[in-house]
Amino acid sequence: EADIYQTPRYLVIGTGKKITLECSQTMGHDKMYWYQQDPGMELHLIHYSYGVNSTEKGDLSSESTVSRIRTEHFPLTLESARPSHTSQYLCASSLAGGEQFFGPGTRLTVL
Amino acid sequence: EDQVTQSPEALRLQEGESSSLNCSYTVSGLRGLFWYRQDPGKGPEFLFTLYSAGEEKEKERLKATLTKKESFLHITAPKPEDSATYLCAVQADGATNKLIFGTGTLLAVQP
Repeated sequence: EADIYQTPRYLVIGTGKKITLECSQTMGHDKMYWYQQDPGMELHLIHYSYGVNSTEKGDLSSESTVSRIRTEHFPLTLESARPSHTSQYLCASSLAGGEQFFGPGTRLTVL
Repeated sequence: EDQVTQSPEALRLQEGESSSLNCSYTVSGLRGLFWYRQDPGKGPEFLFTLYSAGEEKEKERLKATLTKKESFLHITAPKPEDSATYLCAVQADGATNKLIFGTGTLLAVQP
């Protein structure tokens, strides 16, 4: 069973605030990912990491940033939240194989 | 351009009424095809990985098959608890673990 955690699960915040979405995994996976998903739409990759101190931007342009200081931790930060950032954010991890295991997600609403 | 198309967008079945979901894909070279189940407000749950044409995988009432152009997820005698969105994703050769997702099929099984 996949052990990947995201906090908070739900966040309602005002425009201009700085936020950090947390993601942790206990499986020792080297690779971690952040996806954005809007209702009825496909998942879009916004950031990924292949190991400590390695981060890359994904296929969907995002104003967020990520860091990977520890293998198990991959936080995502928005310096100044805007209503256009309202979405579901999903964190995932994987080993060398293709299958990725997902966390429960963070539903972000920016007013 | 690598692409995944799922059909139908939505499917309503009676309990016990078997059916199939389709995932058509276009990739430069397929490394793997993945099926996930996603419940409302949650992250995707990994179901199957298929690597080559002719391969089949089974889990309870679900069976996934793969050809060179598409994959099917067969649901035999579904139950209401099978209601969810089923997502298909592909990983292309050289894609370094990136997954391309379809928009999913929303399955509703009525008792």
